[in-house]
Amino acid sequence: EDQVTQSPEALRLQEGESSSLNCSYTVSGLRGLFWYRQDPGKGPEFLFTLYSAGEEKEKERLKATLTKKESFLHITAPKPEDSATYLCAVTSGGYQKVTFGIGTKLQVIP
Amino acid sequence: SQTIHQWPATLVQPVGSPLSLECTVEGTSNPNLYWYRQAAGRGLQLLFYSVGIGQISSEVPQNLSASRPQDRQFILSSKKLLLSDSGFYLCAWDRGGTDTQYFGPGTRLTVL
Repeated sequence: EDQVTQSPEALRLQEGESSSLNCSYTVSGLRGLFWYRQDPGKGPEFLFTLYSAGEEKEKERLKATLTKKESFLHITAPKPEDSATYLCAVTSGGYQKVTFGIGTKLQVIP
Repeated sequence: SQTIHQWPATLVQPVGSPLSLECTVEGTSNPNLYWYRQAAGRGLQLLFYSVGIGQISSEVPQNLSASRPQDRQFILSSKKLLLSDSGFYLCAWDRGGTDTQYFGPGTRLTVL
């Protein structure tokens, strides 16, 4: 069974203080790893899909990287509007099932 | 562009009452459709998925059911709600053949 573990559970940063969120996964044949952003009371918003080790994707202050065992979401010079819960998810095999982690709640303080 | 709608946005229901949540997708055809439940401190739990009209697969046995009467419409139902059915219900879609799922705004259900 696929498993996703995200750390830390919560992270508090000063505005401009760069950091990384971790997503460790266990799957039998990774098809894709996903990052989403979720604001309170709203549905997850898609950020990135990564398919193979070594792949990187960027969007504004966010950069996602992938290895064979984990993924990192790097946040460079965060702003208060980056405050949200960031979810990591994986899919494997030939089946449309996505396994989600619990998420990292990020708070960026002005 | 594609848009996914869910309603209602919030719902408060007594124990034992029926439930009907609706999800529709615009701007695409033949999507895969999904119902998830998100509880506080827990990851998203897949409840049902559908690859076509009338085709429903259940992931978790419970007192909920799902139906897909039209290509871009997905309905989550219950005949009698339990307290444990409270949560944030999310509908999602993908294009089938790709894996990236896109989520709707969600429905907050409180069962009292």
